[in-house]
Amino acid sequence: NAGVMQNPRHLVRRRGQEARLRCSPMKGHSHVYWYRQLPEEGLKFMVYLQKENIIDESGMPKERFSAEFPKEGPSILRIQQVVRGDSAAYFCASSPTSGTYNEQFFGPGTRLTVL
Amino acid sequence: GENVEQHPSTLSVQEGDSAVIKCTYSDSASNYFPWYKQELGKRPQLIIDIRSNVGEKKDQRIAVTLNKTAKHFSLHITETQPEDSAVYFCAAVRGTNAGKSTFGDGTTLTVKP
Repeated sequence: NAGVMQNPRHLVRRRGQEARLRCSPMKGHSHVYWYRQLPEEGLKFMVYLQKENIIDESGMPKERFSAEFPKEGPSILRIQQVVRGDSAAYFCASSPTSGTYNEQFFGPGTRLTVL
Repeated sequence: GENVEQHPSTLSVQEGDSAVIKCTYSDSASNYFPWYKQELGKRPQLIIDIRSNVGEKKDQRIAVTLNKTAKHFSLHITETQPEDSAVYFCAAVRGTNAGKSTFGDGTTLTVKP
C-alpha cells in the first residue's frame, strides 16, 4: 500500500507565477489535509477536504490560494501570483475517516522556492 | 480556535538520559493528541498518540501522559539515543471538527553521544 504521494518534491517559481502542488492520498483514504511549514517553524493547518468538498478552509489565505479534491485524481493546492513569502514546505496528509481519533499520514512534502 | 503551546523549544540531553516535552491546549473539546517526529528534510511521522479517555500510554522507550483537567500532555523518552535527535511536534485534534490538527511549534531535541 503506497503511502501519501506528493509531487513535485521541489518547485521553483518566480514571483507572479502560479504554483500547483499535487497530493495523492493513501489508498482507501478519502480525507486530505494541507499544511504549510515555514523554515524552522511548525506546521500550520491550511485546509481540509473530502472528495469534491472543502470541509474546513479556515487556515487558507483568502487571496491567491485555492484547493480542490476532485472525484477523480489528486488533490491540488494552487497558489496564484506567488510571492517570496510563499516559500515553504507544503505537506499534505490523508486519513481514512473523519470523526474522532483519525490518524493522519503525511506525504513527503513539496518544497516551494519563490525567486 | 484551538491554541497549542509546546515547551521547551530546544532540548539537549546526554545519551541515556530522559527527555520530556510538554504541551498545553486551550480547547476542552480536543480529544485526540498525537505526537510526531520530524527529521531534517523529512515528513512528520506519528510516534505515539493518546485518546482523551486514557491518562497514559507507553510504547517501549516512549510514553505520553494526558491531564484533561489541566489541559496538558507530555511526551517522555527514556534511554535516549543519538537517533532520537529530531524535531518533535505535539498536536491536538477536536473530534467534532474532524481532521484539523493544531500543532505546537516544535521541540528540537539533540541527544549528545
